[in-house]
Amino acid sequence: ETGVTQTPRHLVMGMTNKKSLKCEQHLGHNAMYWYKQSAKKPLELMFVYSLEERVENNSVPSRFSPECPNSSHLFLHLHTLQPEDSALYLCASSQPGQYNEQFFGPGTRLTVL
Amino acid sequence: DQQVKQNSPSLSVQEGRISILNCDYTNSMFDYFLWYKKYPAEGPTFLISISSIKDKNEDGRFTVFLNKSAKHLSLHIVPSQPGDSAVYFCAASPRPDSNYQLIWGAGTKLIIKP
Repeated sequence: ETGVTQTPRHLVMGMTNKKSLKCEQHLGHNAMYWYKQSAKKPLELMFVYSLEERVENNSVPSRFSPECPNSSHLFLHLHTLQPEDSALYLCASSQPGQYNEQFFGPGTRLTVL
Repeated sequence: DQQVKQNSPSLSVQEGRISILNCDYTNSMFDYFLWYKKYPAEGPTFLISISSIKDKNEDGRFTVFLNKSAKHLSLHIVPSQPGDSAVYFCAASPRPDSNYQLIWGAGTKLIIKP
């Protein structure tokens, strides 16, 4: 595997379900990100981890819970989501000092019923 | 309040012609600007960038121009090719040592007509 991978690629869940999104980066980067992309809107930064420590949390609802067990893996745990949470969730990684050139995974298309 | 704006949701250009994608920003503290390209079912990929100390950066068919006084940048693609059909995102970095924060535009969908 190369680059940034995300699983699953598609996810349909009910509002009472609990699920997790997984991201893995094979680039040796130190920072990892979760973004939300809704149709025709800018990418919304949700969480940033640097060296496995959360450094940014842009007022994301608590029904989204990130986990970064090591610098290569990032999870987004989901519970009691709302239909408006349906979106494309993108994971990215970067190497500090590289002017924020971020490398993205293919995303998980999430649908909340 | 969007700090980075891409006012054209879509743009259609004939193959072989020049494509010009525009981006405006409001924060004069932005120091570095990036363009990303996104195909359906894929994540965005980095295309080209420019530092605020420059007004032009060129890479093959892609050129980015920065007009700091107007707080405007543009991406020129010439000649346009069918494979350039994608969504293009403009992003800005608030400060040179910022390792994390990118402010994104909403994207412009470019369609190259054969």
